Amino acid sequence: GIQVEQSPPDLILQEGANSTLRCNFSDSVNNLQWFHQNPWGQLINLFYIPSGTKQNGRLSATTVATERYSLLYISSSQTTDSGVYFCAVDRAGGTSYGKLTFGQGTILTVHP
Amino acid sequence: GAGVSQSPSNKVTEKGKDVELRCDPISGHTALYWYRQSLGQGLEFLIYFQGNSAPDKSGLPSDRFSAERTGGSVSTLTIQRTQQEDSAVYLCASSLRPVFGPGTRLTVL
Repeated sequence: GIQVEQSPPDLILQEGANSTLRCNFSDSVNNLQWFHQNPWGQLINLFYIPSGTKQNGRLSATTVATERYSLLYISSSQTTDSGVYFCAVDRAGGTSYGKLTFGQGTILTVHP
Repeated sequence: GAGVSQSPSNKVTEKGKDVELRCDPISGHTALYWYRQSLGQGLEFLIYFQGNSAPDKSGLPSDRFSAERTGGSVSTLTIQRTQQEDSAVYLCASSLRPVFGPGTRLTVL
């Protein structure tokens, strides 16, 4: 099956710092999503981004499908950004977009 | 409804008992997924329903696991003869690009 690798596994920041999270995947995809899992366990969809660049406030994401990686940028981090960030992909060629393979996640801790 | 809802939020059971977990998807969504999140395995796909098509059961870990979706809406995940390794958070999602519910935390003693 498709492999998804995220880096770094852990990241500790001071409030206000910027960060970049990376997701590498091993095959063509028809879906790539970034999620934030908050301390209560809820998975929040951040971006649907199988290719290209999107921005939402302090967050932005870029996927370079031909090189099989995606980047999530967090600018001016806040303590509420803490949690686990997951990248998940659905392999191309299937009929679904949500049969996702998840990476192991990046644990982000933002200190005040 | 406004989002995906799941019940119960927590379930504690004894090894060997059967459990049923419920998912109410977002109204009108024809795609529904079950996932589970455990310490050892991370987030794993279990099963996918799309409209009236036969479900994709390729992620179910054993024949003790089954799921149904009645009337194209509510779904129930059933685990028979629960084992301690079934302890996990079971997540339901709907929409082609999944939107996740809050999950059911299952603990098997």
